[in-house]
Amino acid sequence: DGGITQSPKYLFRKEGQNVTLSCEQNLNHDAMYWYRQDPGQGLRLIYYSQIVNDFQKGDIAEGYSVSREKKESFPLTVTSAQKNPTAFYLCASSRTSLNTGELFFGEGSRLTVL
Amino acid sequence: AQKITQTQPGMFVQEKEAVTLDCTYDTSDPSYGLFWYKQPSSGEMIFLIYQGSYDQQNATEGRYSLNFQKARKSANLVISASQLGDSAMYFCAMRVGAGGFKTIFGAGTRLFVKA
Repeated sequence: DGGITQSPKYLFRKEGQNVTLSCEQNLNHDAMYWYRQDPGQGLRLIYYSQIVNDFQKGDIAEGYSVSREKKESFPLTVTSAQKNPTAFYLCASSRTSLNTGELFFGEGSRLTVL
Repeated sequence: AQKITQTQPGMFVQEKEAVTLDCTYDTSDPSYGLFWYKQPSSGEMIFLIYQGSYDQQNATEGRYSLNFQKARKSANLVISASQLGDSAMYFCAMRVGAGGFKTIFGAGTRLFVKA
């Protein structure tokens, strides 16, 4: 079955450590996204990528970094510069860049900083 | 500014009854798409229904329909014949413009279906 796979599902990190969240898709979608969700809030865009080797900052990119070396993969690194990294992270992709296209989501990664 | 507003933090509905979840949006762009997503307690986001800004008719998908009132900038989700499995968070979202890479989400409404 086609879909988006995120790993790990749960991650604990000590302050000052970088962590990388994996996102892999086999939907053959060009566009991929990373969102952050905090309790009781909607999703906020961290980074997005339209094509391989290209990515753009979203609304809350500070303290995060991404890469897009392969169409299928869009990993997110939460760096030690991110002041409040404890959150639920969702990776998504879309078939089209047009505003008619819905997002396809992974199951999410829950990061807790100890 | 582009914005999605969901004013109902929580809603209760009796099983088998219909429920309306409110959503208003703000954009000056004439081309946009409106979406509703469901988020069960497991966390994944599930696409429910889409409405384009130029669509003349309200969208429907099974038990879901979108009450689109363009002049009032509202895009309410109607769930008919509620089921216990409908208990979840529901998010209204908007993609704007031809380049529409940015999807803006509302804060969500938590729906509780009572047996």
